[in-house]
Amino acid sequence: AQSVTQLDSQVPVFEEAPVELRCNYSSSVSVYLFWYVQYPNQGLQLLLKYLSGSTLVESINGFEAEFNKSQTSFHLRKPSVHISDTAEYFCAVSRGWGAQKLVFGQGTRLTINP
Amino acid sequence: EAGVTQFPSHSVIEKGQTVTLRCDPISGHDNLYWYRRVMGKEIKFLLHFVKESKQDESGMPNNRFLAERTGGTYSTLKVQPAELEDSGVYFCASSQDGEQYFGPGTRLTVT
Repeated sequence: AQSVTQLDSQVPVFEEAPVELRCNYSSSVSVYLFWYVQYPNQGLQLLLKYLSGSTLVESINGFEAEFNKSQTSFHLRKPSVHISDTAEYFCAVSRGWGAQKLVFGQGTRLTINP
Repeated sequence: EAGVTQFPSHSVIEKGQTVTLRCDPISGHDNLYWYRRVMGKEIKFLLHFVKESKQDESGMPNNRFLAERTGGTYSTLKVQPAELEDSGVYFCASSQDGEQYFGPGTRLTVT
């Protein structure tokens, strides 16, 4: 079985400040790792994913996450946040890419203050 | 191309009543998933359809929940009779070969 822990339920930061959202996972098998984002009044959207290859993955809007197998972590970072990044972020794992259920963490609500 | 749609967006019912949630996946997607988020908790998997067949229903909480996917298109999730602990947001997602695309969710409140 897999499990995901997001250590921070809420993270407030000032605009243009860096941010890190932490995610740790537990699994007895190899997993694929994901970050999903939910903007207000919208569904979840895939932000970025790690399937294989380079352990550092990036999104189109400046977020990045690094897969650390030894620490079983997949922390999400952004060097400078914008008001539009205000959302809830969910870390998830899956045993496969496609046709496999996702196991989610509790979510981290990111609030950007001007 | 239309995304995953869910109906209704909100539902408030009394304990003991029946509610049916509907999900329309992206056209052509064989995989359809239901998830639920109870207030303050993580999003939890309920079940997975491949076309009209239930591939994995290991997350269904009990027999008060019944999911169907007629003809491999839209899906319904019926809760009968509803209990207070069924309150939460129910998400539907669909996929073909990879990424799961999520709907906006149905917020269910049982009073």
